Amino acid sequence: DAGITQSPRHKVTETGTPVTLRCHQTENHRYMYWYRQDPGHGLRLIHYSYGVKDTDKGEVSDGYSVSRSKTEDFLLTLESATSSQTSVYFCAISERGTEAFFGQGTRLTVV
Amino acid sequence: AQSVTQLDSQVPVFEEAPVELRCNYSSSVSVYLFWYVQYPNQGLQLLLKYLSGSTLVESINGFEAEFNKSQTSFHLRKPSVHISDTAEYFCAVSQPHGSSNTGKLIFGQGTTLQVKP
Repeated sequence: DAGITQSPRHKVTETGTPVTLRCHQTENHRYMYWYRQDPGHGLRLIHYSYGVKDTDKGEVSDGYSVSRSKTEDFLLTLESATSSQTSVYFCAISERGTEAFFGQGTRLTVV
Repeated sequence: AQSVTQLDSQVPVFEEAPVELRCNYSSSVSVYLFWYVQYPNQGLQLLLKYLSGSTLVESINGFEAEFNKSQTSFHLRKPSVHISDTAEYFCAVSQPHGSSNTGKLIFGQGTTLQVKP
């Protein structure tokens, strides 16, 4: 398995609170991604990174921000969590921007 | 804009029967194509990929998919399924940009394969 660790694996938080999810990789891959998975929608890209401090928006970026200060870490922040952000969040990495490898996911519930 | 359509949300099949999971994509440019498998409460695992070359690609566990450019399809097939193949399968597409690939994936909605004894 690709060396990807997501933390936490599960989180319950209240509406309006900030939340940060962490993705850590040991593969030294250039590209990192955050996706969310919702029933009937498959996975949708939130943000991605193509290098340290180089990030860009994906399809569903509203309400989310990201940071990448080191090659190995990619953080996803929900500035003020809403119930619509209840989802399963997956981090993925890619060496050359071809195939991607996924982490185990973080299940986030906003109550 | 690219899009991916998986034509069946659920596919029930008996063990040892053949199966086909259908995937169509829309894109006016060349694409990379992928199938991922997700077992319950797990992440996605890459099952197989088409980047270039032979249009028929195979996985180590007996699945195969064929890239059909004229029909913009990438259907997944297995001649004889096992109970352990029960999972959700996702088709995905990305757009190559030479040395500037971003690897952003567009996913289909997923197909649940349920293998019955």
